Amino acid sequence: EPEVTQTPSHQVTQMGQEVILRCVPISNHLYFYWYRQILGQKVEFLVSFYNNEISEKSEIFDDQFSVERPDGSNFTLKIRSTKLEDSAMYFCASTPYATNEKLFFGSGTQLSVL
Amino acid sequence: SQKIEQNSEALNIQEGKTATLTCNYTNYSPAYLQWYRQDPGRGPVFLLLIRENEKEKRKERLKVTFDTTLKQSLFHITASQPADSATYLCALGGYSTLTFGKGTMLLVSP
Repeated sequence: EPEVTQTPSHQVTQMGQEVILRCVPISNHLYFYWYRQILGQKVEFLVSFYNNEISEKSEIFDDQFSVERPDGSNFTLKIRSTKLEDSAMYFCASTPYATNEKLFFGSGTQLSVL
Repeated sequence: SQKIEQNSEALNIQEGKTATLTCNYTNYSPAYLQWYRQDPGRGPVFLLLIRENEKEKRKERLKVTFDTTLKQSLFHITASQPADSATYLCALGGYSTLTFGKGTMLLVSP
């Protein structure tokens, strides 16, 4: 069964450094998302992406965040100048449906900012 | 503000029994409601979707109900098994972003 792939599974960085989280969505999906989950908290929406553009973004997704689909398969989340509070599990998701239905999630990247 | 509430305490049941999980919401008029399963350290896995004009949906041992008047969904797992132990998330959406509840942990004992 096709799956969403995320790399790395764990990322440790120093506060103020930039990180890039990578995702390979399922190949025939057109809608892509980043969510994050702070330990013990709920899964929170960051951004949705379609047709090489951001469709929606949350208040969390401020100027330190950016997303990109650099080629036909990868989808990346860049966090500039990381802060301690950025420590979380970051999930990529994709779906073939336009209405946020039936999201397929990757296994996540655990980001630790020291 | 919009709020989704799920039982914060873990639900402990014996194998073979039916587990019932609750999702309540306020200040929302969702077009649909979804249920996901999340295992520790893993991403959510989609289970079922029920639309606002549907009362009930079934898939194998899973059943979901959706009452838009009560603003509540119930998620049932019949003949539960230890392998069903996980956190179950409800998520509400429409044509806007999908918003998740915090989830309810289910523990099924042999």
